[in-house]
Parts: sequence; C-alpha cells; structure tokens
Amino acid sequence: ETGVTQTPRHLVMGMTNKKSLKCEQHLGHNAMYWYKQSAKKPLELMFVYSLEERVENNSVPSRFSPECPNSSHLFLHLHTLQPEDSALYLCASSQGVTSGAYNEQFFGPGTRLTVL
Amino acid sequence: AQSVSQHNHHVILSEAASLELGCNYSYGGTVNLFWYVQYPGQHLQLLLKYFSGDPLVKGIKGFEAEFIKSKFSFNLRKPSVQWSDTAEYFCAVTPNYGGSQGNLIFGKGTKLSVKP
Repeated sequence: ETGVTQTPRHLVMGMTNKKSLKCEQHLGHNAMYWYKQSAKKPLELMFVYSLEERVENNSVPSRFSPECPNSSHLFLHLHTLQPEDSALYLCASSQGVTSGAYNEQFFGPGTRLTVL
Repeated sequence: AQSVSQHNHHVILSEAASLELGCNYSYGGTVNLFWYVQYPGQHLQLLLKYFSGDPLVKGIKGFEAEFIKSKFSFNLRKPSVQWSDTAEYFCAVTPNYGGSQGNLIFGKGTKLSVKP
C-alpha cells in the first residue's frame, strides 16, 4: 500500500470517447504529478501541481486536461486520444516541489490505457 | 537537456550472482539521486536515495548505490541476487537548486531477470 491510489486500473477507449483518470493520495502531501510510461521510453513527466496550482505543463497535447480540485485529488481528463497515447499513466505525490527531502515522490499503481 | 542513461536494457543473472546496474546523468550541478524498482504487476517503489553526505547509500532488500560525483554516476549494486529481485529498475535524478519544480528525470530502466 503506497498511499497513492489510482482508478481505474485498466481502461480501453475509442478515439472519440471522453474519459477521466483519477488519483488520490492519503499521505498529506502538497504536490501531485502525472507521468506517462511507454514501452522502451523513460517515464515522461506530464503535469505537476503544487497546492492545487499547476506549476508545470511539459508540452503535453491539449487532448490531455488535468484537474486538481484539492491537494488530495488529481484527475486527468482524456478526449479524442490517439492510439499512440496508449500507455501506463502514473500518478505520484510528494511533500512539496522544492529540492531536497521534499522531492521524494510516491507513486500509484497506474492506469493501463488502451486507445483503439 | 538533462538526461539519465542506464547502460543495460536487460540483465539476466543466476541466483547468488552479484549485480551492478549502471546509471549516469548529465546535469553538472548538485543533484538528488534515486533508484526505483517496479516488480511485475506492481507500482514503482523507492529502493534508495541520495541527497547528501556519505556517497555510499544503503537501501531496502540489501541494495546499495554509490554516488561518484566525478563520474556523474550512481550505480546500483547487490552482492547476491535472489529470484525475487526480478523486476525493472529505474534510476532518476533531480537537480538540486532553489525553485526546482520537482522534475524527476528518469532513465529508460533496466529489466533484471534472475534465474532460479
């Protein structure tokens, strides 16, 4: 049990569908992250939220839309995705976003997304 | 751009063999260094971390890593592997400077298969 949960664990969607991924952290952290994990590629940071404000948007296409209603919850809204968006989407949290001890990130189990 | 290189894509060892996984990073300043492990079907877990102090750090399950600043390296070692160490191992780096946005930069990962 990592303290970071993600739902759903698996998702299959068509290119015209709209779906959302949910992440919840139970660690009292102030920062949350979305990563994309594709086969044979490094984990790619997508978005960073600190105290519910987006502080990083790593050139992610607009078909991915994050939402952070509070410091415990993070969503990734998906619409008109492409087959190449199929990947494992990981959520993480940390105490903060400044360097040092606060930078240690705790990961959720991920959502395996398949776009048909 | 900062990057992390993991030299081996797939390592296959027999039980009781010694392990060393290479990791090099490209950032020239102060860094925080991490090794994460992802067991089959499980989430990313922190194996060990280096922030400052003794460059030889001990992690969970008998793993250790040595930070060699002059070589920009943070290699992971274990004297005697077990079948249960079969997993994918990720090296990650965060530049340590004021205002860091918590960007963990990951390597592509090294898959370790331990034969019983």
